[in-house]
Amino acid sequence: KQEVTQIPAALSVPEGENLVLNCSFTDSAIYNLQWFRQDPGKGLTSLLLIQSSQREQTSGRLNASLDKSSGRSTLYIAASQPGDSATYLCAVCDSNYQLIWGAGTKLIIKP
Amino acid sequence: DGGITQSPKYLFRKEGQNVTLSCEQNLNHDAMYWYRQDPGQGLRLIYYSQIVNDFQKGDIAEGYSVSREKKESFPLTVTSAQKNPTAFYLCASSIAVTANNEKLFFGSGTQLSVL
Repeated sequence: KQEVTQIPAALSVPEGENLVLNCSFTDSAIYNLQWFRQDPGKGLTSLLLIQSSQREQTSGRLNASLDKSSGRSTLYIAASQPGDSATYLCAVCDSNYQLIWGAGTKLIIKP
Repeated sequence: DGGITQSPKYLFRKEGQNVTLSCEQNLNHDAMYWYRQDPGQGLRLIYYSQIVNDFQKGDIAEGYSVSREKKESFPLTVTSAQKNPTAFYLCASSIAVTANNEKLFFGSGTQLSVL
């Protein structure tokens, strides 16, 4: 059974730092992996989607990587800003086209 | 603007009462989903629908019911059989369930609490 883990559950860093969020999964048979952002009391916004055949995707200051063999993905945020404060969730699309979710990492960027 | 609209934003349920959460989308998506979010846990799938008049149970369907009479609408009813309904409920849509290269779009959620 696919399981998705995000560690740490919370992270606080000063503004301007580059940072990495982690997502691990137990079964490498996935179609894709997505990273989402969730602001408090709000819905989720899709940030990046990486197909199983891809190694990374970039959007602005965000870069997501995927290593299927090791069951890991990272979300790299460059030059962090207070507006980046949110909870970041990852989800893998398994072989049954079902999304399996991590519990998220709550990120706080201190001004 | 295209998107997904959930209402109400906050909802309170009395014991023994059924309540219905609304979800409407104007993205022309075939697939729609209902997720439940509890603090410290990943999202859990309640029901999903691939097409009008069709829906499938997710991982935690017990105590919930849905309908899909129109492409744009996918309401969720939390019945009195759901003994622990307090949670944040999220509706989402995508072009198709099996479109593995398509992103999910989410509504802004409904917080359901028990009185």
